[in-house]
Amino acid sequence: EAQVTQNPRYLITVTGKKLTVTCSQNMNHEYMSWYRQDPGLGLRQIYYSMNVEVTDKGDVPEGYKVSRKEKRNFPLILESPSPNQTSLYFCASRAGGHYGYTFGSGTRLTVV
Amino acid sequence: EDQVTQSPEALRLQEGESSSLNCSYTVSGLRGLFWYRQDPGKGPEFLFTLYSAGEEKEKERLKATLTKKESFLHITAPKPEDSATYLCAVQAVRGSQGNLIFGKGTKLSVKP
Repeated sequence: EAQVTQNPRYLITVTGKKLTVTCSQNMNHEYMSWYRQDPGLGLRQIYYSMNVEVTDKGDVPEGYKVSRKEKRNFPLILESPSPNQTSLYFCASRAGGHYGYTFGSGTRLTVV
Repeated sequence: EDQVTQSPEALRLQEGESSSLNCSYTVSGLRGLFWYRQDPGKGPEFLFTLYSAGEEKEKERLKATLTKKESFLHITAPKPEDSATYLCAVQAVRGSQGNLIFGKGTKLSVKP
């Protein structure tokens, strides 16, 4: 089944403790992206990647890192999480052209 | 600055009561406009891509149209299962195909 898989689904952590949210897609898509979704603010893009080793900042990149060492994987790294990073995070991938992003099921992160 | 505005924020309809959702956009040049549906607690699900003014796409009770400044999602004779948040996103010509900017969405409730 074609899908974007992100883990974990739920995560509660403490301020300052480094964490990684994994994302993997099995569709051989060129483009991958991370979004965060907050009430009243909608979906905001954090980072996106156009291919292996090619990434760029979205609208809200501060406090986040990404890497794209393999085409299928695009992990999101929070080096020192803070409470304002409490949010619902989505990973997505797309082939480009006519097709929109295919989204994962989301990771609900709480930083206390 | 590229911007996407959706209205209304929320819409309550009776089953069978047709209506339209609006997505207005400001971009330097439009490469594509995308419509998504999002159910509570899930990732957005891709519906349509529109590229040029005058274009229309249909899927079951949904029809999306595009002008030079806005897009409409028409819902004909909606059913309760159409209840969801509908999101609009744009991709600018000058931006990467990885960079999609989302509106805040319209939450649709259809009562039986």
